[in-house]
Amino acid sequence: AQSVSQHNHHVILSEAASLELGCNYSYGGTVNLFWYVQYPGQHLQLLLKYFSEDPLVKGIKGFEAEFIKSKFSFNLRKPSVQWSDTAEYFCAVMGDNKLIFGAGTRLAVHP
Amino acid sequence: GAVVSQHPSWVICKSGTSVKIECRSLDFQATTMFWYRQFPKQSLMLMATSNEGSKATYEQGVEKDKFLINHASLTLSTLTVTSAHPEDSSFYICSAPNQGSLNTEAFFGQGTRLTVV
Repeated sequence: AQSVSQHNHHVILSEAASLELGCNYSYGGTVNLFWYVQYPGQHLQLLLKYFSEDPLVKGIKGFEAEFIKSKFSFNLRKPSVQWSDTAEYFCAVMGDNKLIFGAGTRLAVHP
Repeated sequence: GAVVSQHPSWVICKSGTSVKIECRSLDFQATTMFWYRQFPKQSLMLMATSNEGSKATYEQGVEKDKFLINHASLTLSTLTVTSAHPEDSSFYICSAPNQGSLNTEAFFGQGTRLTVV
């Protein structure tokens, strides 16, 4: 069975700082990988997805993620965060016909 | 993207009663749907996978008799919380993977906030 580990539970940044959120997964087969965002009081939104193409995936709102197969990682990055990026971020892996989520990382961006 | 509709968005029920939550894929067929539970400030925990025409697959620790799942058609799955208690209060979310292409992406319903009083 697959599992997902997100290393940072809480991250606090100032506006314009760079962001990298870690995500590692374990699964023996072919996986599809996702990053979702949940803004306060709102529902999940898909930020980006990896489907076995270019390992560097670009998503919405300036986010990108890099799939490194040898490290089983799919870290999320953004060069310059904004206050509006304050939210919770979830990494997820689809394998064995199941979509499993990581514990989430709560990001707070201060003006 | 594909649309998944979940109903109701919120429900308040008395302890001991049952509540049914519906999840529909509006513009694609879903042979599989996922049911999640999200506690405040926590991640989505997969409860079960519903399979059209067969029994649902429950995750470890999830009571089958308490959370009844029925996947009656290729576009509808229901979750019934039976004999609800206050500890069942939570946010329940369904998701349906669109497997029409080689790659599978899951689409989410808007969630149902259940409050048991």
